Amino acid sequence: AQSVTQPDIHITVSEGASLELRCNYSYGATPYLFWYVQSPGQGLQLLLKYFSGDTLVQGIKGFEAEFKRSQSSFNLRKPSVHWSDAAEYFCAVGGITGGGNKLTFGTGTQLKVEL
Amino acid sequence: EPEVTQTPSHQVTQMGQEVILRCVPISNHLYFYWYRQILGQKVEFLVSFYNNEISEKSEIFDDQFSVERPDGSNFTLKIRSTKLEDSAMYFCASKQGIGLYGYTFGSGTRLTVV
Repeated sequence: AQSVTQPDIHITVSEGASLELRCNYSYGATPYLFWYVQSPGQGLQLLLKYFSGDTLVQGIKGFEAEFKRSQSSFNLRKPSVHWSDAAEYFCAVGGITGGGNKLTFGTGTQLKVEL
Repeated sequence: EPEVTQTPSHQVTQMGQEVILRCVPISNHLYFYWYRQILGQKVEFLVSFYNNEISEKSEIFDDQFSVERPDGSNFTLKIRSTKLEDSAMYFCASKQGIGLYGYTFGSGTRLTVV
C-alpha cells in the first residue's frame, strides 16, 4: 500500500528565512511524487512533481524539491520565504502500477510566516 | 492552459437529499477521479474511472456514491442520501493516458450538508 508521511503539522518561519518541508513516502515501485499548495478554502495548486531523471526538481514560486530514493524522501525547499507563502502544503505519491493511478496524500504541513 | 472545471463551487443540501457534483475534465483526457477533503484533513481518494467503468474505489466510496460520464464532456459524482459527514470539499481530477503526466485537479466543490 502506498502512503505519505509529513511529520511536521505546523511550521513557523520568519519572512526571508529558508524553508524545508519534509515528506517521506512508501511505495512498492517507482514513485511519482508531487507537492501541492492550498490556501484556505481554495483548491490544490501544483508546485512541482518528480517522475524521473534529475532528482532535484524546480517548481513554481521559487520552490524546489529533492528526491532521495535511499531515504524515501521528497522534501520541499525554498531559500527565502515570502509572507504570501503562508498556506498548507501537501505531498502526494502515485504510480503506474494498479488499476487506477490514484494519488495518496499526506496530512499536510501548515506554514505560517512571521513578518 | 487547459483546466478541469467543477460546478458549483459551493453547494448546500439538506441531510437525506441527493446531490450531484459536476466536473468537466480536460477534453482529451481519458482517466477521471474524485477525491474528498473533509475540513482540516488530508485529501482522500474516492474513485477512479476509465473506459466507462470504475477502475478503483476506496472504502469511503460505498453504495451511496456513484459516478457517471453521461456524455462526452461531463463526469459526475452522485451522493444518493447525504449525511452530515459528507460535508467536505470534493475535487475532480483527470489525466490523459497511462502514467501520471498531466494529472490535473479542479478547483473543487464545497458541499455542506445541513
